[in-house]
Amino acid sequence: QSVLTQPPSVSGAPGQRVTISCTGTGSNIGTGYDVHWYQQFSGAAPKLLIHGNNIRPAGIPDRFSGSKSGTAATLAITGLQADDEADYYCQSYDNRLSGYVFGSGTTVTVL
Amino acid sequence: QLQLQESGPGLVTPSETLSLTCTVSGDSVSDGSSNWGWIRQPPGKGLEWIASVHYRGSTWYNPSLKSRVTISMDTSKNHFSLQLSSVTAADTALYFCTRERDFGDYEAFDLWGLGTRVTVSS
Repeated sequence: QSVLTQPPSVSGAPGQRVTISCTGTGSNIGTGYDVHWYQQFSGAAPKLLIHGNNIRPAGIPDRFSGSKSGTAATLAITGLQADDEADYYCQSYDNRLSGYVFGSGTTVTVL
Repeated sequence: QLQLQESGPGLVTPSETLSLTCTVSGDSVSDGSSNWGWIRQPPGKGLEWIASVHYRGSTWYNPSLKSRVTISMDTSKNHFSLQLSSVTAADTALYFCTRERDFGDYEAFDLWGLGTRVTVSS
């Protein structure tokens, strides 16, 4: 069972906006640790999508954005495209577990 | 071109020790601004951080695996390694090596190898 909770799946039509939540606790997101997001296509390695809650690495489209509030973080994808179909994982640090923790992962489906 | 490449046996016998190596090209494991580590993904499941190492010798381990894991680095070969002892079927997974870049206030896994599939079976 993952420390950070994500919905198993979200879906949307092309062009729509979808959001993925990442809910933590007071020992990770709630205590101020930053949240990072990764995109993983089927059969491929994960790729850093957002770091430091809301910073996009070079080459990541501005259709992807992140935010954090309290014990949760959110990844938003606007202008949904077929190429966005992938699994998305949030990640942070947990001081009770003394290590990095990942979310359970969310599969994005473009209808 | 910056690349990480995992290598190691694809099949390990239960109770034996799994050994993997990650060879880094296009960057130096000694540059000091990054840690280097391992993350795994069991079939059909999510990601699990295993361990990280810095070239100065600091290591960090997932507490749930710490008793069985050793991470090490050979700066002369620009590679780092993972050993996981007493493996069981639960250790069957896709193992990724990663660069854990220091962004100042936090670290994030900004570079990943393609992954190497390890099956634990007799």
